[in-house]
Amino acid sequence: GGIITQTPKFLIGQEGQKLTLKCQQNFNHDTMYWYRQDSGKGLRLIYYSITENDLQKGDLSEGYDASREKKSSFSLTVTSAQKNEMAVFLCASSISISNERLFFGHGTKLSVL
Amino acid sequence: QQKVQQSPESLIVPEGGMASLNCTSSDRNVDYFWWYRQHSGKSPKMLMSIFSNGEKEEGRFTVHLNKASLHTSLHIRDSQPSDSALYLCAPRFKYGSSGNKLIFGIGTLLSVKP
Repeated sequence: GGIITQTPKFLIGQEGQKLTLKCQQNFNHDTMYWYRQDSGKGLRLIYYSITENDLQKGDLSEGYDASREKKSSFSLTVTSAQKNEMAVFLCASSISISNERLFFGHGTKLSVL
Repeated sequence: QQKVQQSPESLIVPEGGMASLNCTSSDRNVDYFWWYRQHSGKSPKMLMSIFSNGEKEEGRFTVHLNKASLHTSLHIRDSQPSDSALYLCAPRFKYGSSGNKLIFGIGTLLSVKP
């Protein structure tokens, strides 16, 4: 089996700050995803990467950047944190883009003061 | 407009009872439905998937799919307190050269009372 590790587990930021969330997977999966989970809004796709060196925008990409540094890692940057923002960011991976069995990390909980 | 509607938003069933959860897509570009389960404070985990009309059973869990109405339902018989979780439906939308996309519903929060 494999594991997806997200760091940090909790992130507290200031309004306007640039914040980076990291994700590592050892499944050797090709495809990686970043989702945002807000209460009452389900999971919304921010960015995904089909393979190493690929980057695709999801439905919620505005205000975020992403980087697939290597096959095992995928980072997400909040370019300017919004005041009172609170959400959980979930990283996931799958064998390939055509296989939607996603394996999720435990999430990074973001709070912006 | 939400492409995925799940109902009910929340559901309470007694231990040993049957829980029935629904999911409908408003977009016909769907060819596959996934169900994920998320226990409180944990990450979502894949529960079942279905792409053919009819039903699929795995233990106490049964999924139905009606492709004509783009409706899927998840039924849990002999519900246990450990089944208490948020159940997320995620249809796969096919957009030709744009590729496939999973879109998650808001979920149904199931609570099984001992």
